[in-house]
Amino acid sequence: DAKTTQPPSMDCAEGRAANLPCNHSTISGNEYVYWYRQIHSQGPQYIIHGLKNNETNEMASLIITEDRKSSTLILPHATLRDTAVYYCIVKKGGNQFYFGTGTSLTVIP
Amino acid sequence: NAGVTQTPKFQVLKTGQSMTLQCAQDMNHNSMYWYRQDPGMGLRLIYYSASEGTTDKGEVPNGYNVSRLNKREFSLRLESAAPSQTSVYFCASSRGGQGSNQPQHFGDGTRLSIL
Repeated sequence: DAKTTQPPSMDCAEGRAANLPCNHSTISGNEYVYWYRQIHSQGPQYIIHGLKNNETNEMASLIITEDRKSSTLILPHATLRDTAVYYCIVKKGGNQFYFGTGTSLTVIP
Repeated sequence: NAGVTQTPKFQVLKTGQSMTLQCAQDMNHNSMYWYRQDPGMGLRLIYYSASEGTTDKGEVPNGYNVSRLNKREFSLRLESAAPSQTSVYFCASSRGGQGSNQPQHFGDGTRLSIL
């Protein structure tokens, strides 16, 4: 599975869009990009995943660059409850998700 | 809609005691997983079950056993608990079978302390 690089921490004002970047320059053609978040003391929460097309669901949007070497998770209107550690994971078919250190997002009132 | 339910939420054991962690999912998923999370280590896969009746070792299986009781339930057993097994244990499930790209959905964890 390809390695991912994320900034260790970010701040976002409440009500604004939070844009969380992820670099995965060694991604291969059959690897998907997944985003999870973990709010303190809870289990990881699935947010969204995609292969090469941009994806949107009720929680967020995932923008994957054309060369697939990076992606951005967008939370359109951040709330205080979005404060969490966000993990970007690149994985092909297989059984283990490798969670790195992620980005600690703090939403500021 | 409960999703993945883990019991108990907290447990303290003495070294050498045995314990079974329970996990159940109500999403009709085929695959189920057990992870442990330690500070600074991320999540590490202990065992997984790609379908009812099958189980396979993950990255850190030593000291653990599992049982896929039916499609809904996947239990993790510590036969003789050791302080190194102090951790937060997460159960997860996914719709797909082995090698699937379907996302995994996690429970809220069992916090286990071994004294």
